[in-house]
Amino acid sequence: DTEVTQTPKHLVMGMTNKKSLKCEQHMGHRAMYWYKQKAKKPPELMFVYSYEKLSINESVPSRFSPECPNSSLLNLHLHALQPEDSALYLCASSQGPGSWDEQYFGPGTRLTVT
Amino acid sequence: QQPVQSPQAVILREGEDAVINCSSSKALYSVHWYRQKHGEAPVFLMILLKGGEQKGHEKISASFNEKKQQSSLYLTASQLSYSGTYFCGTPGGGADGLTFGKGTHLIIQP
Repeated sequence: DTEVTQTPKHLVMGMTNKKSLKCEQHMGHRAMYWYKQKAKKPPELMFVYSYEKLSINESVPSRFSPECPNSSLLNLHLHALQPEDSALYLCASSQGPGSWDEQYFGPGTRLTVT
Repeated sequence: QQPVQSPQAVILREGEDAVINCSSSKALYSVHWYRQKHGEAPVFLMILLKGGEQKGHEKISASFNEKKQQSSLYLTASQLSYSGTYFCGTPGGGADGLTFGKGTHLIIQP
């Protein structure tokens, strides 16, 4: 099973709402990632979890809050987002946190902030 | 730092060949290649490591010039299924996560 699942597929939220994105993998991977992708742009790294610990926070605004409850799950909690945060949010995982392991991407959650 | 890809877009006839380039201003330890079709997630194609090791799909070839900090992806005898946007990615300073180039949009026509 080389699948990374993400829920929900689509999400529309107001600027005052609180919502969460969920990502799950059962490949035994020890590194998980959140990327943000705007239309016709490359994915941009937001967070990296390595062995369930946050190892990199790429200066992402605090209105995005990641959580890794266990080695298979990754959440992204959203609060007080801005319209410019509307994008495709991709989760990925890799065997290890090194640069020599391929990343498997989930299908993404398309977020619209109104 | 974001790697630089070229060309930005390529239009080919089925069966033709293409080369996509990726360069970086900093020393590279590895280069990753992914393809993303419209509305889908990026899919892993290949990793090239410093020292010559590589892993990926058998039908795709690539090169990695460590001294020039460049990588090239070679698509030969292109098929309609090769259409999509190709991204190269390089590890960040902490070696975790990838910084992707702006992408090369490849269109294969029958």
